[in-house]
This record gives sequence, C-alpha cells and structure tokens, in this order.
Amino acid sequence: EVQLLESGGGLVQTGGSLRLSCAASGFTFSSYAMSWVRQAPGKGLEWVSSLSSSGSSTYYADSVKGRFTISRDISKNTLFLQMISLRAEDTGIYYCAKVRYGDFFFDYWGQGTLVTVSS
Amino acid sequence: DIQMTQSPPTLSASVGDRVTITCRASQSISNWLAWYQQKPGKAPNLLIYQASSLESGVPSRFSGSGSGTEFTLTISSLQPDDFATYYCQHYNSLLIFTFGPGTKVDIK
Repeated sequence: EVQLLESGGGLVQTGGSLRLSCAASGFTFSSYAMSWVRQAPGKGLEWVSSLSSSGSSTYYADSVKGRFTISRDISKNTLFLQMISLRAEDTGIYYCAKVRYGDFFFDYWGQGTLVTVSS
Repeated sequence: DIQMTQSPPTLSASVGDRVTITCRASQSISNWLAWYQQKPGKAPNLLIYQASSLESGVPSRFSGSGSGTEFTLTISSLQPDDFATYYCQHYNSLLIFTFGPGTKVDIK
C-alpha cells in the first residue's frame, strides 16, 4: 500500500526557514517523480515544486523560485522541501504527491502538513 | 503560461441530480487533464486522468470528456458522498502543473 507521510510543518516567523519531509513507502521511491502542492486556508490547490524520477531535474512555481529547494534521500525513501525567506503568503497545508509512472498526474497524496508564517 | 478556469465556482444540487462541471484551458492541452475530488480536511483524490479515463476504484457515475481547451466532469447521479470540491489539473511531461480554481458542490 502506497503511503506518504509529511512532517516538519509548524509556526515560523516571516523571513524564517523550515524543512518539510515526506516519508514514502509501498513503492520503489527512486523510480518515481514527486511533487509538493500547497493549499492556503480556504483556497484552492497550488503546485509548488517537482523532482524528476532520476532526481536530476527540479521544477518550481514562480512564487517560490529561489526560495524553496526540493530534494530526496533515496536511502531513507524521503522527499524534502527546504523553504527559506518565508512569507505570510506561504502559509497553508503542504502536500507531497506521487506522480504515476509513465504519466504525469498525481495518483497518491499525503495527508499534508501545516505551515504557518506569521510576524 | 497556461491558465485553467472552472465553472461554476459553486454548484447546489440534490441527491440523484446529474451534475456537470466545466474546465477550460487558455490554450490547447490535448487531453492532458485530470480531475480530483477534495473533501474538507482531506487530501485530494484522483478521479479522472487523460481527460476521460476513470481511475481504478472510482465509481462509474463519474465521467470525464473533452479535449483541446474545453473539458467536463459529469456525475450521473449525485450521491451523499459526492458533496465536495472538484479541481481540474493540467499536467505535462515537464512536471509543471496547473490547477483550476475549484468547484464546490453543496447540498441544495
């Protein structure tokens, strides 16, 4: 059974940093592209970042480019999102999502972790 | 950049109703479109991919159609479990994704 478990969220001051983790199980983590998607309180879904299956290519939404870094540790089956220079508008639930092999949509999502950026 | 829109933003319906949600892309996206259902406090759940392919385990009352710039999600007979928010999503091989703003289906 595929499971994605996010952690690392919390309350951080404006300008601060946070690292989110997504522990994956139930599939061969190293073979799949993965992404982060966020949702501000009461708002819709916003794609944040993706990591290719090879781990060599990364992609970012313009709103986070230069501030967020996606990475993974294959030995720990864990996806990361390092966030710096956090802003109030980064507040929301952050989901990690698995990309279906051979295609490019999300077939599994984690339960999310809440990030709150406040002054 | 490709923009996605959805209509209506909110839809009030009754159990048993046929419900249709429309998603439009600002330029042709072929059939690179997925639909997700999200219930309050929960992660989104995949319903449809490639515009019209039903994800395994999803009830057959859900269907998708369209290509190019206009797409629809249809629920043939709305059930109590279907009251939720629905998002369309454009995806591509570049691993860059764009979601529509969502359509909330609530009880009439």
